[in-house]
Parts: sequence; C-alpha cells; structure tokens
Amino acid sequence: NAGVTQTPKFQVLKTGQSMTLQCAQDMNHNSMYWYRQDPGMGLRLIYYSASEGTTDKGEVPNGYNVSRLNKREFSLRLESAAPSQTSVYFCASSVGLLISGNTIYFGEGSWLTVV
Amino acid sequence: GIQVEQSPPDLILQEGANSTLRCNFSDSVNNLQWFHQNPWGQLINLFYIPSGTKQNGRLSATTVATERYSLLYISSSQTTDSGVYFCAVAPSGSRLTFGEGTQLTVNP
Repeated sequence: NAGVTQTPKFQVLKTGQSMTLQCAQDMNHNSMYWYRQDPGMGLRLIYYSASEGTTDKGEVPNGYNVSRLNKREFSLRLESAAPSQTSVYFCASSVGLLISGNTIYFGEGSWLTVV
Repeated sequence: GIQVEQSPPDLILQEGANSTLRCNFSDSVNNLQWFHQNPWGQLINLFYIPSGTKQNGRLSATTVATERYSLLYISSSQTTDSGVYFCAVAPSGSRLTFGEGTQLTVNP
C-alpha cells in the first residue's frame, strides 16, 4: 500500500520562484490536508479539503494556494516563495472529518528550502 | 484557538525504562491523537483516544477529557522508540492542533 505519496521529497527554490507540491492518496479518503513543520515545533495546518470540491484555510494559509484536483489528489502551490516558507511540508488524509473520530495518515514529507 | 502543551519537552532514558508523557489541552475536544515521528521524519499514528484508555503492546494511553489531559505510557523502552511524540487535538471540524512534542532518546 502506497498510502499518502508526496512529491518532490526535496526542493531548493530561490526567493520569488513558484512551485507546486503534489500529493496523492490511494485509500479512498474524503479529507486531505497540508501541514508545515518548522524546527522544534509541531505541525501547523495550512489548508485542508473536507471533501472533493471544497477547500478551507487552516492556521497559516498566507502565501499558499491549494487545489483539490479530484478525490485522490491535493496540491499545494507557493506562488512567490519566501525564506519564511523554508519548512518540511506534510500532506495527510483521513476517511472523513476528524470530529467524527477518524484517524489521520501522513505522507513522508517534502523538505523545502528557499534561499 | 485551543492550546496544547506537552511535557516534558525532552526525555532521555536507558533501554528498558518506563516513561510517561503528558498532554494538556485548554478546551473540550472531540478528537485526540498521539503520533510518533521517527528520526527520519515519518509520522505514525499511535492512538486515537478522545477519552478512556487504550493499549497497544508496550504503549498505552489514557485521556481524562473532563480534566483536559492525556497521558502516553511507554514501558520497557527500546532504542527504536526514540523520536518525537506529538499529541494533537481537534475541538471541532478538521482543524487538528499539534503540541510542540516530547523528544525521546532511548540509549542502549
């Protein structure tokens, strides 16, 4: 089982460049998420998609956009990268909303450095 | 928003020792999960436990929702238990809020 797959795993960007992080899950989950993790900190929610066709802002959405392309795929776009966006990005998915008691499954992370 | 505090921030053990990690949260929650992040960065779900007690092998967890805390117990620790343990809560919807984690090092 692949679970949640993210690409790329590592990326170096120059300030002002744009890029898209791709995420796909093969568990037929309805909900998908993007988190970022900074050194010594827990994960912070950037955006999430409760179901196909919907997206909502999380704690730290500024500087990011998302697209729920279909039920399997949820992409995160940095339009104009800034050094403050240097972080590890995690995609995740769950069967449904977390309030319903569903557990969440994470991808392996994408290490992004903006210079 | 909801606050999640984990203690201790760092813990060093000898192999075979037992430990207790604590998670305090500031508001009622409908979802509480414990995760282990291994040294390679992979996040593994350990428990979904908004209330009550669960056990899985050497690990167990207890959440006392009325008092707004959860405990993760690790017995007979092994070097492979090393990593960061996160508590995460969702008071509503899908906005899972993470604590800052407990860094556990188990020495042989």
